[in-house]
Amino acid sequence: GDSVTQMEGPVTLSEEACLTINCTYTATGYPSLFWYVQYPGEGLQLLLKATKADDKGSNKGFEATYRKETTSFHLEKGSVQVSDSAVYFCALSATQGGSEKLVFGKGTKLTVNP
Amino acid sequence: SQTIHQWPATLVQPVGSPLSLECTVEGTSNPNLYWYRQAAGRGLQLLFYSVGIGQISSEVPQNLSASRPQDRQFILSSKKLLLSDSGFYLCAWRGYEKLFFGSGTQLSVL
Repeated sequence: GDSVTQMEGPVTLSEEACLTINCTYTATGYPSLFWYVQYPGEGLQLLLKATKADDKGSNKGFEATYRKETTSFHLEKGSVQVSDSAVYFCALSATQGGSEKLVFGKGTKLTVNP
Repeated sequence: SQTIHQWPATLVQPVGSPLSLECTVEGTSNPNLYWYRQAAGRGLQLLFYSVGIGQISSEVPQNLSASRPQDRQFILSSKKLLLSDSGFYLCAWRGYEKLFFGSGTQLSVL
């Protein structure tokens, strides 16, 4: 079935360091891809998305490009801030029996130190 | 605007006790609704989803059940909780091209 694999955490970086969180997927058809973020004490919220191959999603300095040839959607940021500390989830949309659902990766906890 | 309400925020229950978590959505009709569980070290797992009243799809065999008695109400239940049911439960509804999540319920089964 459809699945998402993202790099194991936790990831600890210093402020202004570069970030890459790897995400690969397995899916039938052409899913949309998402990154969700969960800040400490808050609920999940959408960070960025891409709906077709070669699309680049971006938000708050984060970027991810939908790579169909490598089935990947890696999250990147050139210079992280302390406020980026959160858990990041990669996800894909899957349609089964006419119903759509999101399949999530296990999450990667990021801690950014000043 | 659409909002999603989920309660309670925290819950401590003894093993073998029943469970009822409620989720309601406002500002939209006939939403697709979801229950996810976030267990320590296991990420976010889809438990149930519903495309309409009385329509429930279960993703994994488990000790839990879900019901949708009204269009904008989604309930997660158990007759007898297990220790392994502990976790953070999230309700969500499907908006345009993304999910909107509730604030979650932290369930501790002791």
